[in-house]
Amino acid sequence: EVQLVQSGAEVEKPGESLKISCKGSGYSFTSYCIAWVRQMPGKGLEWMGIIYPGDSDTRYSPSFQGHVTISADKSISTAYLQWSSLKASDTAMYYCARSLYIGKEDSFDIWGQGTMVTVSS
Amino acid sequence: QSALTQPPSASGSPGQSVTISCTGTSSDVGGYKSVSWYQHHPGKAPKLMIYDVNKRPSGVPDRFSGSKSGNTASLTVSGLQAEDEADYYCSSYAGSNILYVFGTGTKVTVL
Repeated sequence: EVQLVQSGAEVEKPGESLKISCKGSGYSFTSYCIAWVRQMPGKGLEWMGIIYPGDSDTRYSPSFQGHVTISADKSISTAYLQWSSLKASDTAMYYCARSLYIGKEDSFDIWGQGTMVTVSS
Repeated sequence: QSALTQPPSASGSPGQSVTISCTGTSSDVGGYKSVSWYQHHPGKAPKLMIYDVNKRPSGVPDRFSGSKSGNTASLTVSGLQAEDEADYYCSSYAGSNILYVFGTGTKVTVL
């Protein structure tokens, strides 16, 4: 079964660092791009960026450039989303998603279950 | 980059049809054949319903259809069923600098 399994919910304090994960299985992890999507409480979906795990080519949406780091470890079929200094405004549900097919990077059909990140003092 | 504009809500009775619009610009919706639609039930992962404006992924019922005219894309759900009640988001490619942009989201209610 093709699936993405994300790491569990996190509760952190402002200023702390955090790295959440998204593990792919059931397919060739290096052949499909992975996207990260944010949903703040009561708000809509926002694209954060994408990564091609095969060569770690990474692109960010302008709103997130410089605020998060997307990476991948192809040896363990896992993509990551990382913050160096969390803010309360980072409180949100974060989803990873896999592209629909190889070579297509604008539609995503396999989604992780989401990771809830809560940042509060 | 602003979000694409969708109506906040839409509704219909079981068996009826509902159409959701998604308005962007020539830099996103109007400029590419890369419009997708996602269904999102609260607390669950989003589900891809339409890609490339009007194509359905395997397993998506043909009650769901997509179209585009100029800078506006549309999703039509025919033969509404109770399980169609969800939030729907359009998404468009917006160029290599922006990547993608979501719509503001539409809550579909089955009366």
